[in-house]
Amino acid sequence: QSALTQPASVSGSPGQSITISCTGTSSDVGYYNLVSWYQQHPGKAPKLMISEGSKRPSGVSNRFSGSKSGNTASLTISGLQSEDEADYYCCSYAGSSTFVFGTGTKVTVL
Amino acid sequence: EVELVESGGGLVQPGGSLRLSCAASGFTFSSYTMNWVRQAPGKGLEWVSYISTSSSTIYYADSVKGRFTISRDNAKNSLYLQMNSLRAEDTAVYYCARDQGYGYQAYAFDIWGQGTMVTVSS
Repeated sequence: QSALTQPASVSGSPGQSITISCTGTSSDVGYYNLVSWYQQHPGKAPKLMISEGSKRPSGVSNRFSGSKSGNTASLTISGLQSEDEADYYCCSYAGSSTFVFGTGTKVTVL
Repeated sequence: EVELVESGGGLVQPGGSLRLSCAASGFTFSSYTMNWVRQAPGKGLEWVSYISTSSSTIYYADSVKGRFTISRDNAKNSLYLQMNSLRAEDTAVYYCARDQGYGYQAYAFDIWGQGTMVTVSS
């Protein structure tokens, strides 16, 4: 399984919206509606932000939203805040209880 | 408090072995499927292995298949990863991660440990 493709970096000013893409194949992202997104601050464990493509776990800000079109999933962060500066990873179910993560995106708040 | 705590990491020579442990607390461990995920220094996340609630179903990433063995002891609320024939490319922080689903697989990891570092070097 090859890693899902994400842009290496995305940046935005406070209050703006940014979108991170996550491109897979018809065997993972395109086949299953089971993409999750994780936020990781330096030296910390990842945190679940979105599950099943668009579901927000309890406690996650509604500024985070997820969607999918074809083989590409997306994470949108609206009303960008300084604390959103982190690395973000997508992850897709790939069948037979296996998973594939994305390459990761560094979000910078200007 | 729901918590996962990994242990057992360290420095090991190429070809050596190491056993990681993950102690769970604050939830009904036996009702959740579990996974190991690793992250090489400065690199992205990589899924390593999955184990079902009863240990009846186990899967591995191709990169570790035949060398790593996942297991769990529900009576001890613990998850394990036996790593044999270690290579330099296995150097990473290893996280145990709980699947979000209670009694079913939800395909998302909602609870993560703090990670344990494994360094494979001579």
